[in-house]
Amino acid sequence: DTAVSQTPKYLVTQMGNDKSIKCEQNLGHDTMYWYKQDSKKFLKIMFSYNNKELIINETVPNRFSPKSPDKAHLNLHINSLELGDSAVYFCASSQERFGLDDEQYFGPGTRLTVT
Amino acid sequence: QQQVKQSPQSLIVQKGGISIINCAYENTAFDYFPWYQQFPGKGPALLIAIRPDVSEKKEGRFTISFNKSAKQFSLHIMDSQPGDSATYFCAASIDGGFKTIFGAGTRLFVKA
Repeated sequence: DTAVSQTPKYLVTQMGNDKSIKCEQNLGHDTMYWYKQDSKKFLKIMFSYNNKELIINETVPNRFSPKSPDKAHLNLHINSLELGDSAVYFCASSQERFGLDDEQYFGPGTRLTVT
Repeated sequence: QQQVKQSPQSLIVQKGGISIINCAYENTAFDYFPWYQQFPGKGPALLIAIRPDVSEKKEGRFTISFNKSAKQFSLHIMDSQPGDSATYFCAASIDGGFKTIFGAGTRLFVKA
């Protein structure tokens, strides 16, 4: 009964390859996110989707393309992987509740290593 | 203007002591200030949060103090326990929560 799940947990690949990370939430939330956490633990938002629509794109390179087939899924596809893409990628979800807690529920993360 | 500055970078506290982590922001449009706790190998999890119309919020051993005029907020962990050893992130969000800016994180170690 995992709330936010990501696959794979680990991903090791070579520069120039294309890879995808999948995310699913079973909380019935209408908003999903992708975050990148670098080696210094800095957590930076990449994308926000609300009801399958892109809301926030934080100047992420075009090589990163999120896709939301439905409200429960937000996948991240990365083209032409570079060394600097090595990081832990977290998916998160939340339910829009104005005036109340905007708690985000994070997945376990996907550790991407580009060699 | 979108940054959230967090200090200290790391903190060592004796068991039973008080842990204090501070954050500052610039953008007055931020309207939600959560603190997240992250254990190694796990995703962050919400610990406690506050809205700018409140100056303090307490949940168990965790208290947020919020100073709107100074644009600062802090997390106090009373009676710190070894199990509290983790990385703590302050954050601030706008746009109905769609955009959350995280501080750089504080690694807390509570000595037994």
